[in-house]
Amino acid sequence: EDQVTQSPEALRLQEGESSSLNCSYTVSGLRGLFWYRQDPGKGPEFLFTLYSAGEEKEKERLKATLTKKESFLHITAPKPEDSATYLCAVLSGGYNKLIFGAGTRLAVHP
Amino acid sequence: ETGVTQSPTHLIKTRGQQVTLRCSSQSGHNTVSWYQQALGQGPQFIFQYYREEENGRGNFPPRFSGLQFPNYSSELNVNALELDDSALYLCASSSNSDTQYFGPGTRLTVL
Repeated sequence: EDQVTQSPEALRLQEGESSSLNCSYTVSGLRGLFWYRQDPGKGPEFLFTLYSAGEEKEKERLKATLTKKESFLHITAPKPEDSATYLCAVLSGGYNKLIFGAGTRLAVHP
Repeated sequence: ETGVTQSPTHLIKTRGQQVTLRCSSQSGHNTVSWYQQALGQGPQFIFQYYREEENGRGNFPPRFSGLQFPNYSSELNVNALELDDSALYLCASSSNSDTQYFGPGTRLTVL
């Protein structure tokens, strides 16, 4: 059964303190791994799609990487406005069904 | 370019009632997926519609049903509401690419 596990559940950082979020996945034939950002009470906002091991994508202070078993979201010199829940998901099944992890709640303090 | 929109924003219902949630897909997108997100959890797939046909379904009972219209907008209907149906309901649209773009969600509270 396809499964996504994210760690840690919650992370508290000081402004400027870089760190990484982990997403481990089990899927029969990866067709895509997605990172989303979600602010409280709002819908997920698309960040990145990764398709194959070794692939990397960057956007401002965020960088996503992919291996055969996991993905990392690296946050460099975070700011308070980076505080949010970060969700990881994989495509599953013959149609475009996303399997999500529970998310990592990130809090960045000044 | 208009993004995904959902209505209503919030809804309060009582057990046993029925509810209809609406979603307008992003311009150019022909596929709509619905997800349920309980507090503190990741979204769970309910079903997907492609060109007005159900294209896949998750582990949700038949009282969860949907429709997609010729303009690719969609409805999610839930009958016989239960307390556990309280959640954020998310609609996502996509085109030929795999990336799904989400709307702001509808917060449903069942009392």
